[in-house]
Amino acid sequence: DTGVSQDPRHKITKRGQNVTFRCDPISEHNRLYWYRQTLGQGPEFLTYFQNEAQLEKSRLLSDRFSAERPKGSFSTLEIQRTEQGDSAMYLCASSSPGTGKPNYGYTFGSGTRLTVV
Amino acid sequence: LAKTTQPISMDSYEGQEVNITCSHNNIATNDYITWYQQFPSQGPRFIIQGYKTKVTNEVASLFIPADRKSSTLSLPRVSLSDTAVYYCLVGDTGRRALTFGSGTRLQVQP
Repeated sequence: DTGVSQDPRHKITKRGQNVTFRCDPISEHNRLYWYRQTLGQGPEFLTYFQNEAQLEKSRLLSDRFSAERPKGSFSTLEIQRTEQGDSAMYLCASSSPGTGKPNYGYTFGSGTRLTVV
Repeated sequence: LAKTTQPISMDSYEGQEVNITCSHNNIATNDYITWYQQFPSQGPRFIIQGYKTKVTNEVASLFIPADRKSSTLSLPRVSLSDTAVYYCLVGDTGRRALTFGSGTRLQVQP
């Protein structure tokens, strides 16, 4: 397994269009996270899944954002009616709870850079 | 969620030891302290995690005093390739997702 994969690496879209990103986590990891990062800022939490269940959503995740993780494997993040403010790096991470202790760290993918023009 | 405070930036020279301190005054009993490193255009990379006292791995050491209200990431003998942003995160990752702050931008010079 080569780690967390994200596709595409870059996406340029026109304002108002819909975009979808894909994340393939490390196969044995049951938790999957989405973050968004703008230039000069730390990653902002969007949502996370444990297996196929979406357990937590940030208030940043407006109605235009939706995430799914069918069958508890890969995940998709869709942004509808994109706005220029959606331009950012979208990061996916996965983890697996350690036995007897919290998660031993997240493994992040390289991200999808979205530019809305 | 425990709020963290860390310096915005630090400068160092190759071969020096770098210590980055993070304050987390309202850390909860079940919270762990985790540090990540991020290079431009890459996702953050896990460095080290601890609960109390001292933790050491092949890349860094983490010092946590008894009251756990702060922690210090120690990078021995830094090189140019250690130039990156370092994030301190505090939380019970078994229950909630971690929240990143703005991090510390470390610049290592020759």
